[in-house]
Amino acid sequence: AQSVTQLGSHVSVSEGALVLLRCNYSSSVPPYLFWYVQYPNQGLQLLLKYTTGATLVKGINGFEAEFKKSETSFHLTKPSAHMSDAAEYFCAVSGPYQGAQKLVFGQGTRLTINP
Amino acid sequence: EPEVTQTPSHQVTQMGQEVILRCVPISNHLYFYWYRQILGQKVEFLVSFYNNEISEKSEIFDDQFSVERPDGSNFTLKIRSTKLEDSAMYFCASSLTRLAQETQYFGPGTRLLVL
Repeated sequence: AQSVTQLGSHVSVSEGALVLLRCNYSSSVPPYLFWYVQYPNQGLQLLLKYTTGATLVKGINGFEAEFKKSETSFHLTKPSAHMSDAAEYFCAVSGPYQGAQKLVFGQGTRLTINP
Repeated sequence: EPEVTQTPSHQVTQMGQEVILRCVPISNHLYFYWYRQILGQKVEFLVSFYNNEISEKSEIFDDQFSVERPDGSNFTLKIRSTKLEDSAMYFCASSLTRLAQETQYFGPGTRLLVL
């Protein structure tokens, strides 16, 4: 069965600093990979996803993530944190085979931005 | 931009009571999902639904749960006899296709508290 591990349930960075949120998956065949963000009192919103092709994926709000098959990782980064980035971030996988469309989530990482 | 909506945002019920959680998926989407998140735990898949049938369900989705698309717009999750452990945030999602790499769009959730 698929599983996703997000290292660090809470991450705190200063405004303007690099944001790095870690995600590792367990699957012998690379799945499809997603990052979702949840702002307070809102639903989960897709930040970016990796399906095939280029391993560096750019998403909304300046976020990007790199798929590294050798490390079974899909870490999320943003060069310079903004106060509005404070939210909970979820890494998720689906697949790897068609028909396996349910999302399997990590436990989430709460990102705090310090002024 | 089209969005998934859910009602109510909060529901408090007594153990043993029936609850119905409602969702309006994005209008041209064909695949619907329910997930839940118990406080402090991962977001977990419950069920997927297409063409008025359950496509896949998890072990959590036992006989106490049912889903229905009663009309062309609503998608509901019914819990027949609630238990304390059903207290959670319930998220509805929808997608255009059943491809594993397809984005699932989430609603804001219904927070259910069973007393």
